[in-house]
Amino acid sequence: DTEVTQTPKHLVMGMTNKKSLKCEQHMGHRAMYWYKQKAKKPPELMFVYSYEKLSINESVPSRFSPECPNSSLLNLHLHALQPEDSALYLCASSQATSGAYEQYFGPGTRLTVT
Amino acid sequence: GENVEQHLSTLSVQEGDSAVIKCTYSDSASNYFPWYKQELGKRPQLIIDIRSNVGEKKDQRIAVTLNKTAKHFSLHITETQPEDSAVYFCAASLYTMSGANNLFFGTGTRLTVIP
Repeated sequence: DTEVTQTPKHLVMGMTNKKSLKCEQHMGHRAMYWYKQKAKKPPELMFVYSYEKLSINESVPSRFSPECPNSSLLNLHLHALQPEDSALYLCASSQATSGAYEQYFGPGTRLTVT
Repeated sequence: GENVEQHLSTLSVQEGDSAVIKCTYSDSASNYFPWYKQELGKRPQLIIDIRSNVGEKKDQRIAVTLNKTAKHFSLHITETQPEDSAVYFCAASLYTMSGANNLFFGTGTRLTVIP
């Protein structure tokens, strides 16, 4: 299995809702990433987990809360979002050993905050 | 931190011609340079990458060159086809002690191949 999957594909939520995005991979990768991509912009790194530990948090607001329950799963919990948080949220994974760098992206969750 | 610049925001070529997209980076410690192709509404897909110990890499119609001294790397697509039309992102990365590698992306180039 060489694929990263993400659910849901689309999500519409109000500013007072709580929702979660899910990402899963079965490639044995031990590094997993959350990116945010606005229209016509490159992906922006939000969080990095390495061996299920949060290693990078790129100054993301606390209304985004990541979780890595095990080596195959990555969640992004959303609470009290703003309309400007509407974007494509991409998950990626890679091996976490020296010399192995390829990051594989999931199809993304398109989030709309109303 | 790393700053990756991708100067061409759009590029149009005739079908069959070659396309070249260039990126520059700022951190001389960066050691991995991937190129991603993203079609509208789809995920970024890795199309080719190069590591800092190599100057050039080729895979069929696509190639990447790296000039570490000048800190720039380029994507070359030969014999372009309409299905090559997409947004292309370059990125630079430094492998970290945590085991993960942070990708810093360029701003993207929209390539249009005119039939």
